[in-house]
Amino acid sequence: GAGVSQSPSNKVTEKGKDVELRCDPISGHTALYWYRQSLGQGLEFLIYFQGNSAPDKSGLPSDRFSAERTGGSVSTLTIQRTQQEDSAVYLCASSSPTSGTDTQYFGPGTRLTVL
Amino acid sequence: SQQGEEDPQALSIQEGENATMNCSYKTSINNLQWYRQNSGRGLVHLILIRSNEREKHSGRLRVTLDTSKKSSSLLITASRAADTASYFCATDSGGSNYKLTFGKGTLLTVNP
Repeated sequence: GAGVSQSPSNKVTEKGKDVELRCDPISGHTALYWYRQSLGQGLEFLIYFQGNSAPDKSGLPSDRFSAERTGGSVSTLTIQRTQQEDSAVYLCASSSPTSGTDTQYFGPGTRLTVL
Repeated sequence: SQQGEEDPQALSIQEGENATMNCSYKTSINNLQWYRQNSGRGLVHLILIRSNEREKHSGRLRVTLDTSKKSSSLLITASRAADTASYFCATDSGGSNYKLTFGKGTLLTVNP
């Protein structure tokens, strides 16, 4: 079946502009995650959605970052008033906790460059 | 702060040799997972080992877990050029089994 997809694959924007990044999880997966990976670094947890529960936003670095998950499927990560330090690869993952596994399946990521 | 820390940071070997990467972590965990990442993009899940397991195999991969030392190792046997990638360990935060914390990874280069 189809894996996690993300769009766009690359995004170049100017400092101060808003950007939206999209994630389509694996069909049927109830859990969705966003991570950020800066150059040469490991992944940094941003936000977690599980079903209809309130999302865990504890990893969002500032109030310029927000995310929504509509209809329990597609998610959008929005960064307002982008800064150069926001440049990174943004990775989305999904999982199916009810299947008894904690394995997270990752999308190919969106490389964001803020000029 | 990083929960998992891999070492070495970089490893270069010849095709056919074995590669061993280590991961250390600081707090109690439910699971430890290893992922591979090619060219700085999407991660591929390799193997998950639970806290009550000590060793797990998957094809050419062997993972060990020592909870007393808070460490894990990933062994890739008979390496291939296609194994060239960055390898990350990821741990959950003990209290929640979904919020993974990743180390900075080991860059493995397998020379043909």
